[in-house]
Amino acid sequence: EEHLVESGGGLVQPGESLRLSCAGSGFTFSSYEMNWVRQAPGKGLEWVSYISSSGTTVYYADSVKGRFTISRDNAGNSMSLLMNSLRADDTAVYYCARELIAGALDCWGQGTLVTVSS
Amino acid sequence: AIQMTQSPSSLSASVGDRVTITCRASQGIRNDLGWYQQKPGKAPKLLIYAASSLHSGAPSRFSGSGFGTDFTLTISSLQPEDFATYYCLQDNSYPWTFGQGTKVELK
Repeated sequence: EEHLVESGGGLVQPGESLRLSCAGSGFTFSSYEMNWVRQAPGKGLEWVSYISSSGTTVYYADSVKGRFTISRDNAGNSMSLLMNSLRADDTAVYYCARELIAGALDCWGQGTLVTVSS
Repeated sequence: AIQMTQSPSSLSASVGDRVTITCRASQGIRNDLGWYQQKPGKAPKLLIYAASSLHSGAPSRFSGSGFGTDFTLTISSLQPEDFATYYCLQDNSYPWTFGQGTKVELK
């Protein structure tokens, strides 16, 4: 069965950094483009970042550009999101999601909560 | 960035009702749109991709239509397990953008 599992969330202070990880299993991780999506408490979904299957192409939401870095390790079947200069409005559940060929997100992890607060 | 305007923000319906949710894009996105269902405390689930293609495992009572700027998700006969929040997502150009969501509640 295909699975994605996020880890690395927690409580950090404003200005600090955090690295999230996403581990894939049950499918050929290196064949898929991947994304991060977040959801602030009680709010809607927000797309955060994309990485191509090879890792050579990345995109970011304007709200995180310059602060977040997406990367992947295909040999280790994992993806990461390095989050620097965290702000209170980065508080959210962060989901990793696999992208179908058609561009839709067909497999999601359970999410990991990031709380930015002093 | 492309803006997605989803309506209504919430609706009340009964089991067996036909339900329609719409999304409008601020510019043409061909058929590069998906629909997702999310229940409280859970990750979203893909229902429809490429505007009208039913994702494997999604019930056939869900259907999608539209092209360009106007899109619709229809639930032909609402079931108890369909009470949830629904989102559209444009994947035409980066940054991808979600609609604000539609919460479907029991009347």
